[in-house]
Amino acid sequence: GEEVAQTPKHLVRGEGQKAKLYCAPIKGHSYVFWYQQVLKNEFKFLISFQNENVFDETGMPKERFSAKCLPNSPCSLEIQATKLEDSAVYFCASSQETVINYGYTFGSGTRLTVV
Amino acid sequence: QKEVEQDPGPLSVPEGAIVSLNCTYSNSAFQYFMWYRQYSRKGPELLMYTYSSGNKEDGRFTAQVDKSSKYISLFIRDSQPSDSATYLCAMSASNTGKLIFGQGTTLQVKP
Repeated sequence: GEEVAQTPKHLVRGEGQKAKLYCAPIKGHSYVFWYQQVLKNEFKFLISFQNENVFDETGMPKERFSAKCLPNSPCSLEIQATKLEDSAVYFCASSQETVINYGYTFGSGTRLTVV
Repeated sequence: QKEVEQDPGPLSVPEGAIVSLNCTYSNSAFQYFMWYRQYSRKGPELLMYTYSSGNKEDGRFTAQVDKSSKYISLFIRDSQPSDSATYLCAMSASNTGKLIFGQGTTLQVKP
């Protein structure tokens, strides 16, 4: 399809529980990016993939966060043992290789609330 | 100090006004500059992108980059109520596509 599909739209987890978010990139896009938006407008880069390979993971927290992009499956972002500070909107974006530096298409986000 | 600074506003203008949105940055390695528009509870939508210094125009939107001053701008002509949104500048230094975002400016265009 022509949109980046993120599921679920909302996710509520108790502190210490696991959270798993999914992202289906636009067909034909080989790059996937994950961003965390806290406090309404603070975007933080987490990780990117080129197909199923990690491309840039410089923003990924060392603990509790992991991500995968496997062939023929939606990409996923998993947070183990969630903390209150993980409450945020998590955005996924995808891009074709030739336009990677000219912006990409974002999904509508998954709002994670940790209580 | 943040790498990219953007006044969060809010900015309120009457319909038809010219809007000027700006960002400053500190990293001279930034080469790729973008403006995104984000409506409430939606993902950012790419409006404009530019490479290095210069101007780019697309309809009512004009993007300017001044690398010597580390300053970028987005101008919106003949603003409409539908332009009411948060505008985010974003920039990249590398070929990895990793973006550094400004804090976003909330714009309200009043009919």
